[in-house]
Amino acid sequence: GAGVSQSPSNKVTEKGKDVELRCDPISGHTALYWYRQRLGQGLEFLIYFQGNSAPDKSGLPSDRFSAERTGESVSTLTIQRTQQEDSAVYLCASSYGQGYLYNEQFFGPGTRLTVL
Amino acid sequence: RKEVEQDPGPFNVPEGATVAFNCTYSNSASQSFFWYRQDCRKEPKLLMSVYSSGNEDGRFTAQLNRASQYISLLIRDSKLSDSATYLCVVESGRALSGGSYIPTFGRGTSLIVHP
Repeated sequence: GAGVSQSPSNKVTEKGKDVELRCDPISGHTALYWYRQRLGQGLEFLIYFQGNSAPDKSGLPSDRFSAERTGESVSTLTIQRTQQEDSAVYLCASSYGQGYLYNEQFFGPGTRLTVL
Repeated sequence: RKEVEQDPGPFNVPEGATVAFNCTYSNSASQSFFWYRQDCRKEPKLLMSVYSSGNEDGRFTAQLNRASQYISLLIRDSKLSDSATYLCVVESGRALSGGSYIPTFGRGTSLIVHP
């Protein structure tokens, strides 16, 4: 079946512009995660959605970052007034979510964001 | 102390070698443990979950040591195709309603298998 998809695959923007990244999770997955991975670094948790519960935003690095998800479908990550340090690969993952102890995450291919 | 720590490597081994990685975690209440594999410029993919009693999948063996708070991954008979970064993932700490936990990723251990 279809995996997690993300768009765009690459995004080049100018400093100060806003960008919107999209994630389509696997159908039936109630949990959705956003991560950031800078070059040569590990995955940095940003935000987590579980069903219709309030999202866990504890990983968002600043108020320029926000994310939305409608129900158990598409999510968008928005970065306002982009800075050069925002350059990274933004990865989305989905999983079956709460109630599953061994909760495999399925990752999308990521969006490579370059801020000039 | 970081929540999840891994030796970044790289571990440079010949084909056929046996190699082992460790990963330490700081939260003793951690409940779920995983090894993911990430190829260069690709997304991570689950390699195996780590069960309390240890588990094996072909050439790969994962162990959990709760007393010392680490997990390990052993790869036997290394193949060129095993070259990748191996990410340790621990679910712990920030419990949300319903008992689901935020996963914490280690920075990964790089493995290079050469002919």
